[in-house]
Amino acid sequence: QVQLQESGPGLVKPSETLSLTCTVSGGSITRYYWSWIRQPPGKGLEWVAYLYYSGSTKSNPSLKSRVTMSLDTSKNQVSLSLSSVTAADTALYFCARVPLGVTDAFDIWGQGTMVTVSS
Amino acid sequence: EIVMTQSPATLSVSPGERATLSCRASQSISSNLAWYQHKPGQAPRLLIYGASTRATGIPARFSGSGSGTEFTLTISSLQSEDFAVYYCQQYNNWLALTFGGGTKVEFK
Repeated sequence: QVQLQESGPGLVKPSETLSLTCTVSGGSITRYYWSWIRQPPGKGLEWVAYLYYSGSTKSNPSLKSRVTMSLDTSKNQVSLSLSSVTAADTALYFCARVPLGVTDAFDIWGQGTMVTVSS
Repeated sequence: EIVMTQSPATLSVSPGERATLSCRASQSISSNLAWYQHKPGQAPRLLIYGASTRATGIPARFSGSGSGTEFTLTISSLQSEDFAVYYCQQYNNWLALTFGGGTKVEFK
């Protein structure tokens, strides 16, 4: 059974870079799209970015060029970096898997990790 | 960007009753729509993809319908474990994936 576990610093200062990791257990990270989705406090879900294991990052246009994703196949991990953060980036961040060509939707999610941007 | 609008924002239902949730897209998304269930402190769960196909392990009381711009998630007989927030999401435009604002299904 595939499981995803997000991890991160919890607190990030404004203008700094937020870095999160999603560890995938019970399955390979190859041949899937991987995505980050976030939920600001009291609000709904917002797609952040996705990456195919052999491709480049595609991110939400609202985040402009602040987003970078990467995969570490040796550790079965998916990473997210979000630069120049502000209070608006405070959210619960989820990682999720997309089996493209099967469901084309986010079929497995982690429980999320909370990130607060504050000085 | 394709805007997804869900209604109602809150739905008060008694156990055993039918719940009908709506999702509207600002432009046609064919059948490229998914529904998710989210409970506090848990991972969101995929219920429906392709507008009407139940994901693995999802009970038959959950059904999805619609295409184009109008979609519906129906829970035929609400169980206690179904009280949650439900989100729709379009994946017709992979350059800008978008979610609806959610419908909270609460105990009446």
